[in-house]
Amino acid sequence: GQQVMQIPQYQHVQEGEDFTTYCNSSTTLSNIQWYKQRPGGHPVFLIQLVKSGEVKKQKRLTFQFGEAKKNSSLHITATQTTDVGTYFCAGRSGNQFYFGTGTSLTVIP
Amino acid sequence: DTAVSQTPKYLVTQMGNDKSIKCEQNLGHDTMYWYKQDSKKFLKIMFSYNNKELIINETVPNRFSPKSPDKAHLNLHINSLELGDSAVYFCASSLGLLGYTFGSGTRLTVV
Repeated sequence: GQQVMQIPQYQHVQEGEDFTTYCNSSTTLSNIQWYKQRPGGHPVFLIQLVKSGEVKKQKRLTFQFGEAKKNSSLHITATQTTDVGTYFCAGRSGNQFYFGTGTSLTVIP
Repeated sequence: DTAVSQTPKYLVTQMGNDKSIKCEQNLGHDTMYWYKQDSKKFLKIMFSYNNKELIINETVPNRFSPKSPDKAHLNLHINSLELGDSAVYFCASSLGLLGYTFGSGTRLTVV
């Protein structure tokens, strides 16, 4: 069945360090979405990528969709304590989105 | 105004009981979902409704029954609750396959 894996599962960084989470699908995706879930909160939509090789930026966050549309990454530059949370990718295959396993980010002040 | 609201926020109940969780969205979205998030934070789709019609029904015990009286509401009824049903249940909505808007979640604890 469809699987969307994320690595790493957990990441601890010192404030100011960079952070990257990778999302890998077993099949080609139509598009990919990214969400952030703060501790105790609910997932919040960040962005959607559609085109092969697409790169989008939101302030310190850079999102990339792989050329083969089977992987994606989220990179945060100079992490801040407000970046703490779990980041999920969700890849579309057919008419359904499959959520990744999530990467939990801890930022140490 | 809350875009996707679900009630209750917390639910503690005994094994064997029947309970319902309600969800309403005021975004004019045409698709609504129920997700289960376990202790490892994995988000698992349970059901999806498009304009009141069931379009996704993942492998979920038939003790779980969704009901959509109209496209702004999607309720989840659970019969004969079991310990393994303890989790956070999220309602979400979307316009087609655009970004999902999630509710704040219902933390269900079965004792």
